[in-house]
Amino acid sequence: QVQLQESGPGLVKPSETLSLTCTVSGVSITAFYWTWFRQAAEKGPEWIGLIYSSGSTNYNPSLTSRVAMSLDTSKNQISLRLTSVTAADTAVYYCARKDGDYWGQGTLVTVSS
Amino acid sequence: EVVLTQSPDTLSLSPGERAILSCRASQSVSISHLAWHQQKPGQAPRLLIYGTSNRFTGIPDRFSGSGSGTDFTLTISRLEPEDFAVYFCHQYGNLPFTFGPGTKVDIK
Repeated sequence: QVQLQESGPGLVKPSETLSLTCTVSGVSITAFYWTWFRQAAEKGPEWIGLIYSSGSTNYNPSLTSRVAMSLDTSKNQISLRLTSVTAADTAVYYCARKDGDYWGQGTLVTVSS
Repeated sequence: EVVLTQSPDTLSLSPGERAILSCRASQSVSISHLAWHQQKPGQAPRLLIYGTSNRFTGIPDRFSGSGSGTDFTLTISRLEPEDFAVYFCHQYGNLPFTFGPGTKVDIK
C-alpha cells in the first residue's frame, strides 16, 4: 500500500532554511503528483504547494518567494525547502499524494534560536 | 483565495446520534473539488470524502457528503466511538487550495 514518511530537522533557527524529505513506498512518485501541507497548532491545514511528475510546480502565493519542491526519482523521494524561516513557520509538515488521498504521519518543525 | 467557514465549531453528541457538519465557501467551488478529512489527536488527516460525495477507499457508508456551489455538508448517520474527532473541509479546485478551520465532534 502507499506509505509516505517525512524526515528532517525538528529545529531550525530563524532566517535559516527548512529542508524536509518525503520518502514514498508502495508506488512510484512518477505516477502521481505530490503535495506538501503544514498545520500550525490548533489550526486547519495549509496548502504549501504541489509538484507534478514532470517537475513542474504550483506554490501557495503566500510562500512562493521562499519555497521550492523537487523530486528524486532514484530514491522515490520528494523534497521541500523553505528559506528565511520565522516563528510563523513552526508547524507539523505533511507530504501527501495528489490532493491528500494518502498522507504521511507528519513531522514537527520548530523555528527557534 | 477561497475562504472556507465551518459550523458549528464544536458538536457535542452521543454515540448513535447523527452528526451534520457544514462547510460554506466564500465563492463557488466545483463539486469535483471538495473533500472532507478526519483528524484525531496526534495523527495526520485522513481522507473521508472527495468530489463532494464520493467515499474514499475503506470509508464506512455512515459517512456521506452532499452540496454544491458554496454550501456543503458532511453527515455521519450514526456516530461510532471512533468518529469523535475533528473534521476539515478542503477545496482543491481554486488555487491556492484551502481548508476550513475544522469542526470538532466530541462526546456529550
